[in-house]
Amino acid sequence: LAKTTQPISMDSYEGQEVNITCSHNNIATNDYITWYQQFPSQGPRFIIQGYKTKVTNEVASLFIPADRKSSTLSLPRVSLSDTAVYYCLSPIKAAGNKLTFGGGTRVLVKP
Amino acid sequence: NAGVTQTPKFQVLKTGQSMTLQCAQDMNHNSMYWYRQDPGMGLRLIYYSASEGTTDKGEVPNGYNVSRLNKREFSLRLESAAPSQTSVYFCATHDRAKDEKLFFGSGTQLSVL
Repeated sequence: LAKTTQPISMDSYEGQEVNITCSHNNIATNDYITWYQQFPSQGPRFIIQGYKTKVTNEVASLFIPADRKSSTLSLPRVSLSDTAVYYCLSPIKAAGNKLTFGGGTRVLVKP
Repeated sequence: NAGVTQTPKFQVLKTGQSMTLQCAQDMNHNSMYWYRQDPGMGLRLIYYSASEGTTDKGEVPNGYNVSRLNKREFSLRLESAAPSQTSVYFCATHDRAKDEKLFFGSGTQLSVL
């Protein structure tokens, strides 16, 4: 069963918008897609979740197309403190509670 | 409300020694997980427990054992530590009935010499 697939890394500059797309072809029918942020030497931290269409909170937006086989995390106007690794997570059909991560996307925000 | 608490935070072992990593949660979640993260790498699932009384292997279970002592506690044991087990270990909890969020502890940094 394929895990999620994301770009390995992305560079950006302060004030720009960063969009990270994740592929999750085997997403479970009734489950949400969640995204996490991880800073060095810390555990991952939940930032947003969604089921379909668009979700926005104070940190990010999440766009999910109708087929739900991918999702895009959008970080508006990034700052240096947004430099981190971002992971998407989607439960896989037939995998139950076995939650496995892909490799994540390392985002570097430059001044 | 501490969330997910892991002990110890740091540990150095010699090859062949054993130890148990402890994880406790006060979130009343059913599912608990152990992940390892090698330097510069992603998270790999070692073992998980969908609910109290059940445990299942993850992606990299060899060399580890787990115990779901009760709903709150999920321990990870290294019976005979090897240098390849040098890593940061994260415990996480989850309750699908409530939402899809995983909540992580702050990690245990383990070095095996």
